[in-house]
Amino acid sequence: NAGVMQNPRHLVRRRGQEARLRCSPMKGHSHVYWYRQLPEEGLKFMVYLQKENIIDESGMPKERFSAEFPKEGPSILRIQQVVRGDSAAYFCASSTGDREKLFFGSGTQLSVL
Amino acid sequence: GESVGLHLPTLSVQEGDNSIINCAYSNSASDYFIWYKQESGKGPQFIIDIRSNMDKRQGQRVTVLLNKTVKHLSLQIAATQPGDSAVYFCAENIGGYSTLTFGKGTMLLVSP
Repeated sequence: NAGVMQNPRHLVRRRGQEARLRCSPMKGHSHVYWYRQLPEEGLKFMVYLQKENIIDESGMPKERFSAEFPKEGPSILRIQQVVRGDSAAYFCASSTGDREKLFFGSGTQLSVL
Repeated sequence: GESVGLHLPTLSVQEGDNSIINCAYSNSASDYFIWYKQESGKGPQFIIDIRSNMDKRQGQRVTVLLNKTVKHLSLQIAATQPGDSAVYFCAENIGGYSTLTFGKGTMLLVSP
């Protein structure tokens, strides 16, 4: 029973490029969450999705960031025109439903040069 | 003892000691709490959870205590081992849908 799978593990982009981060939830989980973590800080909520729906995107910057969780395939967090301040670890989590514990993936470390 | 570092509070203990990690939460409407352990370079790992209708919950070597009066949560680890060294986060869920809000974390360092 595979856990939450994220790829790539490490992603290097130059300023202005696009970053696409992928997350496959645990089997049987239909709720996906994206969090961002800066060094020695806690995780900051970005967006919560269910299949084909964005439930809460209150933590996601209004510009350049978008997320989707299509009917088929992984959830994608997309960052357009990346800037150095986007450098962080991005974690995906999944759950079976509302108000259940979240299981996290190993994260994608994004480095913007 | 416990000290405040540049970024993360740090708790240093000896192997075999009991550890207590504390967390103050902010919202009196929070009714579900989770402790996570995060090792360097890895994602947070679920340890134990507790709902607000309980004051205490025990797992294997871990106990979570919830004091709703003072909005305080603690994680007790019995017979701490070097493998317990990690950053520990408390997270709270504020009603409605399950968007967890994480605290800043406490680094636990266990010396052999």
